[in-house]
Amino acid sequence: DAKTTQPPSMDCAEGRAANLPCNHSTISGNEYVYWYRQIHSQGPQYIIHGLKNNETNEMASLIITEDRKSSTLILPHATLRDTAVYYCIVRVGEGSQGNLIFGKGTKLSVKP
Amino acid sequence: EPEVTQTPSHQVTQMGQEVILRCVPISNHLYFYWYRQILGQKVEFLVSFYNNEISEKSEIFDDQFSVERPDGSNFTLKIRSTKLEDSAMYFCASHPMAGRRNIQYFGAGTRLSVL
Repeated sequence: DAKTTQPPSMDCAEGRAANLPCNHSTISGNEYVYWYRQIHSQGPQYIIHGLKNNETNEMASLIITEDRKSSTLILPHATLRDTAVYYCIVRVGEGSQGNLIFGKGTKLSVKP
Repeated sequence: EPEVTQTPSHQVTQMGQEVILRCVPISNHLYFYWYRQILGQKVEFLVSFYNNEISEKSEIFDDQFSVERPDGSNFTLKIRSTKLEDSAMYFCASHPMAGRRNIQYFGAGTRLSVL
C-alpha cells in the first residue's frame, strides 16, 4: 500500500470548513483513498473513500486531484465533536479484505 | 445502527496471567480483525480472521496470542502470558463479505492494563 503524508496537527474554528490534506504521491492505479478518524482513544470510525472522482456523504467531502497524488478531506461545518485524529489510508481495491495501515494522522482541534 | 461490541471496556491483570478479550462483530460480517494501540502511538494491525482461520497476522502477533470464533457471534483474542508491554487499547473490527466496500467497523476497544 502506498505511503501517505499528513500534517501532524491543524486548528479550525467551530462552524468553519476544515480542510485536511493528504499526500500520496506513490499511489497506484488500483488503490483507493480512505479516511478514518479516531475521537479520543475510541475505535477508528470510517468517514469516506474514493478512487479518482470527488465523493460526498453525510459526514464529509473528499477531493482527489486529477493526478491522484493528493487529496483533501473537507468537513463543511466543523463542530467541537469533530475534534479527533484523522487518518488518510491508501489501499488496494474496494472489494478486497486486508488490514488497514494507520499512520500518525492529523490531529484536528476545533475551537469555539 | 449495528455496531461492534467489545467487552470488557477495561481489563486489569497481573503480568504472566492469561487474558481473553471479547468481541461481538456485526452480525452479517465475515471478516474480523484485531488491532492494538499503545498509549500515544499508532493503531497497529495484529491479525485478520476469515472462514474460521487466520488470514493474515503481523509480527506483533506471536505465539502468546491466539484468536478464536467459539460460536456464531463471538470473536476472542487471548494473550497467554501477559507482559507489561501488552498494556494497550485493543480494537476489534469487522467488515462484510468480499465484493462489498472495504469499510471496517471498529468497536470502542478494551483497555488492557498489565501490572
